[in-house]
Amino acid sequence: AQTVTQSQPEMSVQEAETVTLSCTYDTSESDYYLFWYKQPPSRQMILVIRQEAYKQQNATENRFSVNFQKAAKSFSLKISDSQLGDAAMYFCAYRGSGGSNYKLTFGKGTLLTVNP
Amino acid sequence: EADIYQTPRYLVIGTGKKITLECSQTMGHDKMYWYQQDPGMELHLIHYSYGVNSTEKGDLSSESTVSRIRTEHFPLTLESARPSHTSQYLCASSIGWRTGELFFGEGSRLTVL
Repeated sequence: AQTVTQSQPEMSVQEAETVTLSCTYDTSESDYYLFWYKQPPSRQMILVIRQEAYKQQNATENRFSVNFQKAAKSFSLKISDSQLGDAAMYFCAYRGSGGSNYKLTFGKGTLLTVNP
Repeated sequence: EADIYQTPRYLVIGTGKKITLECSQTMGHDKMYWYQQDPGMELHLIHYSYGVNSTEKGDLSSESTVSRIRTEHFPLTLESARPSHTSQYLCASSIGWRTGELFFGEGSRLTVL
């Protein structure tokens, strides 16, 4: 079974600085998809960024980028020029491409605090 | 913001009561999901649906039931609420299984006394 591990329960960053959130996963599949979701307090969870495992190029969305290391099964999220609105719980998630590809497996999340 | 709505947002109810958590989406998505999330914990899939008249149980065993009579509507029902059902329930929908982004509702926070 796939597992997703986020080893940092909490992180903090100063406004305008850069922070990296870690995520590792365990899978025997070669084709899969990885996601970072953001859950602000009492608001909807939204997709931050998505990475297809077959793509070697790291995904980037504005100030958000990932460092995808397939061999190491690592998928970290880098937030540049952090803003107060980035404060939220961040979840790393995995979706396989096999028979149970409906399933999105989530990590336990990292609570990010942004200090002014 | 995504067009997926959950009601009620907050519910405090006594043991033994029947409750229904409503979830509606206006995006025409075939796939819909219910996740359970305890404070500070990961999300666990408890139900999902391929489309109308299709429902399946997820990874986490749940005493709740769901129905999918209309594409846009995916309610979750607890026939007899217990304190162990206290949690946050998140509804989501997507176009496809693979790369399709999940759109989440704001969640329903249930407290059973």
